[in-house]
Amino acid sequence: NAGVTQTPKFQVLKTGQSMTLQCAQDMNHNSMYWYRQDPGMGLRLIYYSASEGTTDKGEVPNGYNVSRLNKREFSLRLESAAPSQTSVYFCASSGLAANTGELFFGEGSRLTVL
Amino acid sequence: KNQVEQSPQSLIILEGKNCTLQCNYTVSPFSNLRWYKQDTGRGPVSLTIMTFSENTKSNGRYTATLDADTKQSSLHITASQLSDSASYICVVSPTGGSQGNLIFGKGTKLSVKP
Repeated sequence: NAGVTQTPKFQVLKTGQSMTLQCAQDMNHNSMYWYRQDPGMGLRLIYYSASEGTTDKGEVPNGYNVSRLNKREFSLRLESAAPSQTSVYFCASSGLAANTGELFFGEGSRLTVL
Repeated sequence: KNQVEQSPQSLIILEGKNCTLQCNYTVSPFSNLRWYKQDTGRGPVSLTIMTFSENTKSNGRYTATLDADTKQSSLHITASQLSDSASYICVVSPTGGSQGNLIFGKGTKLSVKP
């Protein structure tokens, strides 16, 4: 059982380049989330999708866009990468809303923007 | 402002010893409090979830306690093993918050030495 799968695991970008982080879950969960984790800080929510076809902003959405492609997949796009977006990105899913149900995280995508 | 503070920042113990990690929060009201374990380079994994009305929850050698009056939680690890070396993250879910609105602590980094 794969759970939540993220690709790529590592990526180096130059300032201004674009890229998409992919996330897929095989647990038939309705809700999916993108978080970023920076040194010395707690995880922060970027965007979430409560169900297929819906997306909402989280705490730190600026500079990002998301797509809920179908029930399984939720992608995060950086249109013009900036050094401030250097971080570890985690995708998560939940059978219920994250604030009531258990969250399952992927292994993370480590992004460096030069 | 809703905050979750964890102490200590880091801790080193010998294999076989017990330890207790602390979590103080200002989130009120809240619906549940969680503890996650995050191995280096991996995503967080849920250890326990307690609702506001629960006082204790166990998961093997891990026991979480909650005192809603003092807004404190602790995670007690019994008979530590080398595999317990990880960061432990306390997370509080505000009542009525938007989905995904979890308040993450910065974590306590535990090192278990042989």
